[in-house]
Amino acid sequence: GDSVTQTEGQVTVSESKSLIINCTYSATSIGYPNLFWYVRYPGEGLQLLLKVITAGQKGSSRGFEATYNKEATSFHLQKASVQESDSAVYYCALSLNSGGSNYKLTFGKGTLLTVTP
Amino acid sequence: GGIITQTPKFLIGQEGQKLTLKCQQNFNHDTMYWYRQDSGKGLRLIYYSITENDLQKGDLSEGYDASREKKSSFSLTVTSAQKNEMAVFLCASSIQGARAEQFFGPGTRLTVL
Repeated sequence: GDSVTQTEGQVTVSESKSLIINCTYSATSIGYPNLFWYVRYPGEGLQLLLKVITAGQKGSSRGFEATYNKEATSFHLQKASVQESDSAVYYCALSLNSGGSNYKLTFGKGTLLTVTP
Repeated sequence: GGIITQTPKFLIGQEGQKLTLKCQQNFNHDTMYWYRQDSGKGLRLIYYSITENDLQKGDLSEGYDASREKKSSFSLTVTSAQKNEMAVFLCASSIQGARAEQFFGPGTRLTVL
């Protein structure tokens, strides 16, 4: 089946340092991949951070960026300079646009980012 | 904007018990979803409903029933709770389509004694 693999567990980064959370996907079902990053801030619900539906395109939000690399089947999340307020759990997710009724979103296991002062 | 409400927030049940979780959304979205999240794992899709009166199985539908009572509400039933089961159930909604952003509720935390 379809799967998403992302940097596992916890990542700790000092404030103002750069960040990368790796995400790769495998799509075995029919359809064109759509890629998402969702985030859960402490005490809040899961929400969309950014999405990209076209290969080669880059999505950005709140200083984060991710580029949909079809050849590498990757969608890594990057930020040049993290802040303490970025501390959260980040999830990479995949859906397949087949024009049919399959709306399934496949999630990675999540990466807990802790930014230290 | 809109909001997704899930009730109850915490649910404690006994082994073998049938338990029902409820979800309401006021986004006027066509599509609603139920996910299960276990500690250290990603979200796994249990059921979704593309429109009112539709029901689609996800990867984890065994042991669950779902019901889309009306456009704004979507219920999930655990048909027989498993002892020591602990998980968070998340409800979400979206417009139709695989590209659509899903909006999530706060979750129901289930504990089975």
